[in-house]
Amino acid sequence: QVQLVESGGGVVQPGRSLRLSCAASGFTFSSSGMHWVRQPPGKGLEWVAFISFDGTNTQHVDSVMGRFTISRDNSKNTLYLQMNSLRTEDTAVYFCVRGPVRWPFDVWGQGTMVTVSS
Amino acid sequence: DIQMTQSPSSLSASVGDRVIITCRASQDISNYLAWYQQKLGKVPKLLIYEASTLQSGVPSRFSGSGSGTDFTLTISSLQPEDVATYFCQKYNNSPRTFGQGTTVEIK
Repeated sequence: QVQLVESGGGVVQPGRSLRLSCAASGFTFSSSGMHWVRQPPGKGLEWVAFISFDGTNTQHVDSVMGRFTISRDNSKNTLYLQMNSLRTEDTAVYFCVRGPVRWPFDVWGQGTMVTVSS
Repeated sequence: DIQMTQSPSSLSASVGDRVIITCRASQDISNYLAWYQQKLGKVPKLLIYEASTLQSGVPSRFSGSGSGTDFTLTISSLQPEDVATYFCQKYNNSPRTFGQGTTVEIK
C-alpha cells in the first residue's frame, strides 16, 4: 500500500542540527513532488518545504530559509530534511507528504517529533 | 504571499446540525483549494480538493464550494465522528499555505 514513514526526530539543543528521513513505498516516488509540513504542539499546520519529482526545484518557507534544506534520493525512494541552526520555535511534529504540482496532499506520513530545548 | 483565513476558529453544534466553515484567500486561487480533517492525535486526512471534489471514501455529508477567493466546507448533518479540526489549504503554488483551522465539537 501507499506509505510514507518518517524517522530521525528527537530532542536537540538550540543551534544544533538534525536530519529527518522519509521512506516512501507503494507508489512511483521518482514521479512525485514531495513536501514537509510541520505542526507545533496544539497548533495548526505549517508548510515547510517542497521538492520537485527530480530534485531540480526546491522551495522553503521564509522562516526556515537558509537553515533547512529539502532533498531526495530517488534511487532509495527517500526524502530528507536537513535542519541546521535549530531554534525552540522549530519544535513540532514533522510530516512527510506527497503533493505533486497543483495537486493536494493526498498521502501523509505518521509524523516524527522534533523537540528543540536546552 | 497569499494568506488563508478560516472562520470560525471553533464551533459547537448538535448532532444532525448543518455546519458551515468558511475559508477566504487574500488573492484569487481559482479552485486550487483543499480541505483536510484532523482528529485529535491523528494525521490530517484529505477530504475535498479542487474546492468541491470529494476524495474517495469521504462521506457524502461533506461538501465544498467556492472559487476565486471565497470557499465553504459544509457538513450537512453533523455526526459524532466528525469531531475534529478542519483546515483549508491553497495548492496552486508554493507556499502551500493552510488556514489556521476550525475546531468542531458536539454540543
